[in-house]
Amino acid sequence: DQQVKQNSPSLSVQEGRISILNCDYTNSMFDYFLWYKKYPAEGPTFLISISSIKDKNEDGRFTVFLNKSAKHLSLHIVPSQPGDSAVYFCAASAQNNDMRFGAGTRLTVKP
Amino acid sequence: DAGVIQSPRHEVTEMGQEVTLRCKPISGHDYLFWYRQTMMRGLELLIYFNNNVPIDDSGMPEDRFSAKMPNASFSTLKIQPSEPRDSAVYFCASSFGVLDYGYTFGSGTRLTVV
Repeated sequence: DQQVKQNSPSLSVQEGRISILNCDYTNSMFDYFLWYKKYPAEGPTFLISISSIKDKNEDGRFTVFLNKSAKHLSLHIVPSQPGDSAVYFCAASAQNNDMRFGAGTRLTVKP
Repeated sequence: DAGVIQSPRHEVTEMGQEVTLRCKPISGHDYLFWYRQTMMRGLELLIYFNNNVPIDDSGMPEDRFSAKMPNASFSTLKIQPSEPRDSAVYFCASSFGVLDYGYTFGSGTRLTVV
């Protein structure tokens, strides 16, 4: 049962442009959402998070948007840089601290 | 702090053999998680512990999988007997309480069962 879905397995953008990664969830009990970035041969690293009481959280080039009614969140990277090329995982958690991950989206930023 | 430490980094074993993956969480963290990453299913939660006690093992695929946390600084994930479909990258992660900064993951163990 995939409670967190990332329907785009890959995304390719040009350097300097915006990258938009999408994520959908089905469990209405989720109240905390995170994005992780993963480079090859490394573990995922935390990138940015958002609580369900907010609809936007910004950290430098990274912004996460949350649409609770649509059960949808997105990660915007502006401007995209070649070093952003990685697999991005969306994750969601309910208060019991049990985090569920999406399948990931591979982002390629071309110079 | 050296972060979450997993060993071995790579493991190749023959079908039917026992495999033990190890994890040392960050000191002071009270939650420990075992995840499995595959191409088809992405990151799947297998089991997690709170203060060394297993809380939810519903993600463990079958009885061949078992996990223990004998103390706050060590956990193992054991597969016995191993099968080719167990081939994946297994991640351990730890956290402390509220998820303000998410989990800290180890570098993973790449398991290949031939």
